[in-house]
Amino acid sequence: AAGVIQSPRHLIKEKRETATLKCYPIPRHDTVYWYQQGPGQDPQFLISFYEKMQSDKGSIPDRFSAQQFSDYHSELNMSSLELGDSALYFCASSLGAGGGDTQYFGPGTRLTVL
Amino acid sequence: KQEVTQIPAALSVPEGENLVLNCSFTDSAIYNLQWFRQDPGKGLTSLLLIQSSQREQTSGRLNASLDKSSGRSTLYIAASQPGDSATYLCAGGGAGNMLTFGGGTRLMVKP
Repeated sequence: AAGVIQSPRHLIKEKRETATLKCYPIPRHDTVYWYQQGPGQDPQFLISFYEKMQSDKGSIPDRFSAQQFSDYHSELNMSSLELGDSALYFCASSLGAGGGDTQYFGPGTRLTVL
Repeated sequence: KQEVTQIPAALSVPEGENLVLNCSFTDSAIYNLQWFRQDPGKGLTSLLLIQSSQREQTSGRLNASLDKSSGRSTLYIAASQPGDSATYLCAGGGAGNMLTFGGGTRLMVKP
């Protein structure tokens, strides 16, 4: 079965650079979520989109922005990168955004900021 | 704000043992409770999802229960195997399906 696809899988950037992470949800899934997992930490919710509209917002820094496109894929744009942004970034998708919809996670993008 | 806690943080058992992982949450207005498995440096694999109206879910050797009134969920693993070694995360789903994760339990099953 098709799963959530994230690209790139690994990314190395310098401080103050920008990065774009991409997420392709499971076919027919209309909701996308972004999570950040720092070293040794549990995943923290950043932001979600349902039918191309922002659904919920968590602890996403102002330096980050995201959007969901007409084909339902999503991109997380990160600017003025800081060392603390080094983390594993997960995208998840679900069919529907109501409580109770199983979220399926992608393999993650490991971002390293030097 | 929902807070999720998992106990113990780490667990080491011999192969074949049955074991229980605990998860507690502060906000009983939970929509669902989801259990995940995470291998080192890897993504999250969904194991079981319990809706707020349900009491338990089973999949193979795994059984998860949910008690909203006490703010607790447990993941029971029967006849543990070395391949079960991983970090197990529980997450409470709130409005908008936003998940709040616990700190995880790192499980080691020794042959």
